[in-house]
Amino acid sequence: DVQLVESGGGLVQPGGSLRLSCAASGFIFSNYWMSWVRQAPGKGLEWVANLKPDGSEIFYVDSVKGRFTISRDNAENSLYLQMNSLRAEDTAVYYCAKENRYYYAMDAWGQGTTVTVSS
Amino acid sequence: QSALTQPASVSGSPGQSITISCTGTSSDVGGYKYVSWYQQHPGKAPKLIIYDVDNRPSRVSNRFSGSKSGNTASLTISGLQAEDEADYYCSLYTITSTLSVVFGGGTKVTVL
Repeated sequence: DVQLVESGGGLVQPGGSLRLSCAASGFIFSNYWMSWVRQAPGKGLEWVANLKPDGSEIFYVDSVKGRFTISRDNAENSLYLQMNSLRAEDTAVYYCAKENRYYYAMDAWGQGTTVTVSS
Repeated sequence: QSALTQPASVSGSPGQSITISCTGTSSDVGGYKYVSWYQQHPGKAPKLIIYDVDNRPSRVSNRFSGSKSGNTASLTISGLQAEDEADYYCSLYTITSTLSVVFGGGTKVTVL
């Protein structure tokens, strides 16, 4: 079974940094696009970023460009999100999601990790 | 990257059918077939239930169906059951010179 397990969330002050990790298992990680999606408290889903299997193409939502960096280590079956210059509006549950190989959708999700940006 | 428009809430009685709309523009929903739908129960991760407008993953109940007309995509839940009470989100991938993913604001489905 596909498993995605996020970690690294926590409380951080505005302007601070945090690195999220997502450990993948149950599928050939190096074959799939991967995404980060976030959900602010009581709000809807917001796509944050995704990247190609070999990491050669990366895309971000405008609100995180220049502050967040998505990356992956295919040898470790892991996805990362480095978050810098954090703002209160970045407070959310962050989900790691696997994209399907044959159609444009996210067919597996982790349980999420909570990031709180507050002084 | 504007969000897609969904009704905040939809309700129905057990056994009834309900439809959730997802409205965009000719530049997004109207121009692409990459519309998907996700179900999210409280405190849980989203689950894919429809992809490419009207396709269902194998493990998903056939009570869920999708369609699109013009700039509006729709999710229909037939034979409504108590377990269908959840939030539902539409999503769209757009691929031009760049790639972006946008979600609708979400619809709370209540089973009366």
